Amino acid sequence: QQKVQQSPESLIVPEGAMTSLNCTFSDSASQYFAWYRQHSGKAPKALMSIFSNGEKEEGRFTIHLNKASLHFSLHIRDSQPSDSALYLCAVSITNSGTYQRFGTGTKLQVVP
Amino acid sequence: EAAVTQSPRSKVAVTGGKVTLSCHQTNNHDYMYWYRQDTGHGLRLIHYSYVADSTEKGDIPDGYKASRPSQENFSLILELASLSQTAVYFCASSEGGQAPLFGEGTRLSVL
Repeated sequence: QQKVQQSPESLIVPEGAMTSLNCTFSDSASQYFAWYRQHSGKAPKALMSIFSNGEKEEGRFTIHLNKASLHFSLHIRDSQPSDSALYLCAVSITNSGTYQRFGTGTKLQVVP
Repeated sequence: EAAVTQSPRSKVAVTGGKVTLSCHQTNNHDYMYWYRQDTGHGLRLIHYSYVADSTEKGDIPDGYKASRPSQENFSLILELASLSQTAVYFCASSEGGQAPLFGEGTRLSVL
């Protein structure tokens, strides 16, 4: 069964720093990889997604995928206090239909 | 504007009682999902559906039933609520298997 794990569990970084979040999965058959952000007490919201090996950049956020290493990551450049949230990675599972399986999350705190 | 609306937003239930959580989407999405969130467990999929009148089991379906009477509506039913089902429940919808749009969540406390 596809397992999705995130590291670290929590992270404190200073404002302006680069933040790196990691996600590993156990089955390279997944086709879709995504990061979500969830502010405290709110719904998760999709941040970025990627389908194939490589890198994708959107503003301060970059996602890397290496299917051979069973690893993808999210990098946040110039981290801001408003980036403080729970970050969830997800991989697609195709069974009868398709859904996302989530990791347990990384809690990020950006301190001024 | 695309929306997923859950009701109720919070509920207190008694052990052994029946609980129904409702979800309505205006996105014309084919897929709908029910996830639960507990501290330390991220989001875990309970049931999902990709067509009306049909539901599929997710990763943790035991103790839950789901119903999709129309494309817009998806319910989660706890026939005999237990203490271990205290959690925040999120409904979501998506087009195909793409990134789901989540509702604001229902906080369920079983006492």
